[in-house]
Amino acid sequence: EAQVTQNPRYLITVTGKKLTVTCSQNMNHEYMSWYRQDPGLGLRQIYYSMNVEVTDKGDVPEGYKVSRKEKRNFPLILESPSPNQTSLYFCASSLGGTGDGYTFGSGTRLTVV
Amino acid sequence: KQEVTQIPAALSVPEGENLVLNCSFTDSAIYNLQWFRQDPGKGLTSLLLIQSSQREQTSGRLNASLDKSSGRSTLYIAASQPGDSATYLCADPRRADSNYQLIWGAGTKLIIKP
Repeated sequence: EAQVTQNPRYLITVTGKKLTVTCSQNMNHEYMSWYRQDPGLGLRQIYYSMNVEVTDKGDVPEGYKVSRKEKRNFPLILESPSPNQTSLYFCASSLGGTGDGYTFGSGTRLTVV
Repeated sequence: KQEVTQIPAALSVPEGENLVLNCSFTDSAIYNLQWFRQDPGKGLTSLLLIQSSQREQTSGRLNASLDKSSGRSTLYIAASQPGDSATYLCADPRRADSNYQLIWGAGTKLIIKP
């Protein structure tokens, strides 16, 4: 089944403890991105990647890192999480051209205390 | 810069009714438009993708249309069911002038009453 897989689905952590949210797609998609969703603010892009080793900032990149060493994986790294990063996170992928739609993962609900 | 608007913000209808959700966009130079569904606190499920060369797409009881000249897309849901209750979002995907991100509408929260 073609899908984007995110792990974990739920995570509660403490301020300052480094964490990684994994994202993997099995569709050979070139484009991958991370979004966060907050009440009243909608979905905002954190980082995106056009292909392996090519990443760029979205609208809200502060406090996050990403890497794209393989085509299928695009992990989101929070080096020192803070409570304002408590949110619902989504990974998405797309084949590459502007004619292609997006496939989203099931989301990761992160709580930083 | 593209702006996407969805009206109404919320809609409550009895089961069995046919309904239309609206999505408007300001920049008619749109390649495609994608409709998603989101259940509370859960993931985004792609419903339909209308590409620029198409006028509409159908999947089961869902039909989405795209009129670039008027800056509108509609999602038609036939014979609504309680399981259709969710938030419906439309988005303009892959815009180079916006970091190749989806430009989202705020969504329409749909409640189907049994």
